[in-house]
Order: sequence, then C-alpha cells, then structure tokens
Amino acid sequence: TQLLEQSPQFLSIQEGENLTVYCNSSSVFSSLQWYRQEPGEGPVLLVTVVTGGEVKKLKRLTFQFGDARKDSSLHITAAQPGDTGLYLCAVSFNFNKFYFGSGTKLNVKP
Amino acid sequence: KAGVTQTPRYLIKTRGQQVTLSCSPISGHRSVSWYQQTPGQGLQFLFEYFSETQRNKGNFPGRFSGRQFSNSRSEMNVSTLELGDSALYLCASSFGVLGQSGTEAFFGQGTRLTVV
Repeated sequence: TQLLEQSPQFLSIQEGENLTVYCNSSSVFSSLQWYRQEPGEGPVLLVTVVTGGEVKKLKRLTFQFGDARKDSSLHITAAQPGDTGLYLCAVSFNFNKFYFGSGTKLNVKP
Repeated sequence: KAGVTQTPRYLIKTRGQQVTLSCSPISGHRSVSWYQQTPGQGLQFLFEYFSETQRNKGNFPGRFSGRQFSNSRSEMNVSTLELGDSALYLCASSFGVLGQSGTEAFFGQGTRLTVV
C-alpha cells in the first residue's frame, strides 16, 4: 500500500513557466517536509509544515499544507534550470515513522 | 557547523561479500536513520537509531543491520550482498526522533554501492 502519492511523476517545462506538484495521503500527517534532490546527492530540506492550512514561501517556491493535513502542494513561479531535480515529500504519521513519497522529477529547459 | 558525512562515497563489491557504511551526524544530533534509494523503489526506510537504540525498522531482510555508537556515529552493514542491493544508501540525522512534530532530517551525500 502506497502511503504517499506524489504527482506528477515527471514534469518537463520551459524556463519561465509556473508549475505545481502534489503530495497526497489518505491518512492525517503529523508534519510534512519537502526536499529537493539533485542526481548523486542527498535530499536537501526545503521546508517543514506542521499546521493545517499553513502556507510558507521560499523565494519563488510556495508550499501549502492542506486544511485536513492529508495533502500538500509545492508551487514554483517562473521556473529556472536551477530548479531541476527530484522533489520529495516526507511525512510522519502519529509521531512515529517517517515516510517518503516517490517524488516528482522536474526538468526545466533553458 | 559540519553537515552529515557519509563514507565512502562510492563502493564496488561482488556478490556474497559484506559491506559496512559509515555515517557521522551533525554535532548534537542523536537520531540517525538510513535509507535505500533505487530508481524503481524510490527512497525506502531501513532503520532509525536514537541514543544507541534501534527505534524503528523498515521491511528489509536481516542481512541489513546497523548500530549506533555513543558519539551518535552510525554504521550500516549488509551481509551476503546481492545484485539487487546496488543502490544509493543515504543517512540522515536529526536532533529529535523521526516523526516528532517538526523534526527535520538532514541528509548526507550518500554512498553509491554497486554489487557486481
């Protein structure tokens, strides 16, 4: 059973376009984190959200945590080639284990 | 402050051998968790150690084991290597246990293991 679903799996866009990627679960999260991973490297933490309905901004990246704490989205405005990478969400349930989604592989073409 | 350090970065082993990977967490962090990443399966949780005790374990065979030392450094061991064990092995450190609200995990660069 897949606890976390990330969509889309792959996304290829032109520089300057906007995009949104999603992370969904049938269960309520305790907290959620978004990471970005470049090939051959470890994931780098972008943001942590813990409150339902929370919105956080990191330059051109906007992260939203659903009111019901079962979903989250990451929106990138005016994507740049440097945004290319694998975007992973990670959640904890009932303050226990940590689970990662399968990720969205983003390619931004110059 | 130094980040999470994993050694070695790259490793080639033959089937049947065993391997030990090392992870030094961020200073002050007491939790170390290990993950296997493959193109087909994504990032899969292996186990978490906190204050030298295994706190959680993923669905991996007993060939995969680990330990944590009093200085929070951790090692992971894989015995009787199989071709399917080829993967990027990542460790992450955190101040508190994984799953606590707001706990943030910081990853190392990983060890790329190739089994031939």
